[in-house]
Amino acid sequence: QVQLVQSGAEVKKPGASVKVSCKASGYTFRNNAMNWVRQAPGQRLEWMGWINVANGNTKYAQSFQGRVTITSDTSANTVYMELSSLTSEDTGIYYCARDVFSSAWPYYFDFWGQGTLVTVSS
Amino acid sequence: EIVLTQSPGTLSLSPGERVTLSCRASQSVTNSYLAWYQQKPGQAPRLLMYGASSRAPGIPDRFSGNGSGTDFTLTISRLEPEDFALYYCQQYGSSPLTFGGGTKVEIK
Repeated sequence: QVQLVQSGAEVKKPGASVKVSCKASGYTFRNNAMNWVRQAPGQRLEWMGWINVANGNTKYAQSFQGRVTITSDTSANTVYMELSSLTSEDTGIYYCARDVFSSAWPYYFDFWGQGTLVTVSS
Repeated sequence: EIVLTQSPGTLSLSPGERVTLSCRASQSVTNSYLAWYQQKPGQAPRLLMYGASSRAPGIPDRFSGNGSGTDFTLTISRLEPEDFALYYCQQYGSSPLTFGGGTKVEIK
């Protein structure tokens, strides 16, 4: 069965960076792109970006452009999301979410990781 | 960016009742590329519907979706105890992908 297992909770100081991993199993990794979605306290879900793991192409939301980097390691069936220049507003749960396709554009998400809580506090 | 507005914010209902949730877009959603998710406390969202009206695998047929352009709905024909949750719509027709603010369906 499809599983997306994310790395554990992180506590970071303002200005630092965080890198969250998402290990996929139960399907052919290259057949689906991967997205990252943030859920900040009291806020709506926010799409951060997408990677086509078959060719490494990425797309990022403008609101995160320049601060977020999504990469993948096909040998490890793992996708990574790194967010830099953290502020308290980056506190939230970060989810990886499998895209239904592997294409030139993100679509919708059929499987989600369990979420990683990132807390930014001085 | 397309802003999705969900209404109402909260619904208080009893098991067995029928409910319709609304999701309105600030611009037309290309190709009705709209999905619905269910989220329960402490869990990740779960895909319910895509393409406005197609049920995801394993989703019971009491869930149905409708709409096009800027107005979309999710209907649950008879609420089961496990359906009390938060529901989000998401559009994937334009970048950036965006989500609605959610509708909470709670037990009356």
